[in-house]
Amino acid sequence: GAVVSQHPSRVICKSGTSVKIECRSLDFQATTMFWYRQFPKQSLMLMATSNEGSKATYEQGVEKDKFLINHASLTLSTLTVTSAHPEDSSFYICSAEEGRESDGYTFGSGTRLTVV
Amino acid sequence: AQKITQTQPGMFVQEKEAVTLDCTYDTSDPSYGLFWYKQPSSGEMIFLIYQGSYDQQNATEGRYSLNFQKARKSANLVISASQLGDSAMYFCAMRGINTGGFKTIFGAGTRLFVKA
Repeated sequence: GAVVSQHPSRVICKSGTSVKIECRSLDFQATTMFWYRQFPKQSLMLMATSNEGSKATYEQGVEKDKFLINHASLTLSTLTVTSAHPEDSSFYICSAEEGRESDGYTFGSGTRLTVV
Repeated sequence: AQKITQTQPGMFVQEKEAVTLDCTYDTSDPSYGLFWYKQPSSGEMIFLIYQGSYDQQNATEGRYSLNFQKARKSANLVISASQLGDSAMYFCAMRGINTGGFKTIFGAGTRLFVKA
């Protein structure tokens, strides 16, 4: 089946630094990928839709300059958390759809970001 | 507005018994898809089952079945013969044309505990 690889799985960074999270579709091409954020014991909140070769579409309330998304190829989307602060600590997870809607989305394994 | 409601924050079930996880939704889309995902403590999201709004029959996938009642706008997940490994968070999700570019929205989730 379809596989989405997400790295790193865990990262700890200092306040003020930037962190890049990668999401790769390993055996299929993904023109669209989605980035979610999940707070502890809460649901997934869509942050943005990543479109290959064009600008990402951000959800209302998500800071574009803080969460930079680059979808430079059909198999790679990256999320960069710029100037991270402790309140950015969260679980970030990406997803992509390989084919039919009935096959559901394939998710990466997620990245747990801790900003200290 | 599109909305997914899961009213059960937590559920307990005895091993080998069946359990139903509730999900109701609200949408004005004429066509939409309903999904269930499982999230173990490790964090990854695992696609379980899909129901299209025009599907005449309830979806089934192994021990998972979806009790789809369109008029009531409910899409309950039934897990038969529960196993200890079924202990996890379960999210109901929906995707439709009017969710904006076929985005998927998620419910708050239900944590299932399977007792030995």
